Amino acid sequence: AQTVTQSQPEMSVQEAETVTLSCTYDTSESNYYLFWYKQPPSRQMILVIRQEAYKQQNATENRFSVNFQKAAKSFSLKISDSQLGDTAMYFCAFMKPPYSGAGSYQLTFGKGTKLSVIP
Amino acid sequence: DTAVSQTPKYLVTQMGNDKSIKCEQNLGHDTMYWYKQDSKKFLKIMFSYNNKELIINETVPNRFSPKSPDKAHLNLHINSLELGDSAVYFCASSRGPSGNTIYFGEGSWLTVV
Repeated sequence: AQTVTQSQPEMSVQEAETVTLSCTYDTSESNYYLFWYKQPPSRQMILVIRQEAYKQQNATENRFSVNFQKAAKSFSLKISDSQLGDTAMYFCAFMKPPYSGAGSYQLTFGKGTKLSVIP
Repeated sequence: DTAVSQTPKYLVTQMGNDKSIKCEQNLGHDTMYWYKQDSKKFLKIMFSYNNKELIINETVPNRFSPKSPDKAHLNLHINSLELGDSAVYFCASSRGPSGNTIYFGEGSWLTVV
């Protein structure tokens, strides 16, 4: 079974600064996907960024980028130029594809990191 | 238009009642899910349907019964509600084998009193 570990329950960052959230995972799969989801106080789950394990290049999405280290099974999220609206819970998630064509994907989530952006 | 929509968003009900949460997606996805987020904010999958067929059924009390009338809808019916059922329930969808990003609805806050 896959496990996802987020070792930082809470973090804070000054507005406009950069912060990195860590995530490690454990799997024996070679083909999989990794995600960061953001959950603001409204509780909506918003996709921030995704990474395919077969891609060596780190994914970026505007101010959000990842540092994907496949051998180390590490997938950290860097938020640059932090904004007040970035205040949220951030969940790292692992997904393995189904083995059969009729299967479905399943996300395994970490326990989340609560990020506070301070004005 | 909201891609994955759930109703109701908030629900407060008494122990022992039966309630349903509806979910619809307009993304043309083949696969739909129900996830539960407990008070500690831990998210865990409950069910997954692919083209109206049950694919994943985690260890969930049989008081929880998903129903998929078509591949755009996946409703969750809960019988004999208990205090421990209080949680946020998220519906989600993905394209299935040809797509691999799961999109979530806004969540349904269920409080059992």
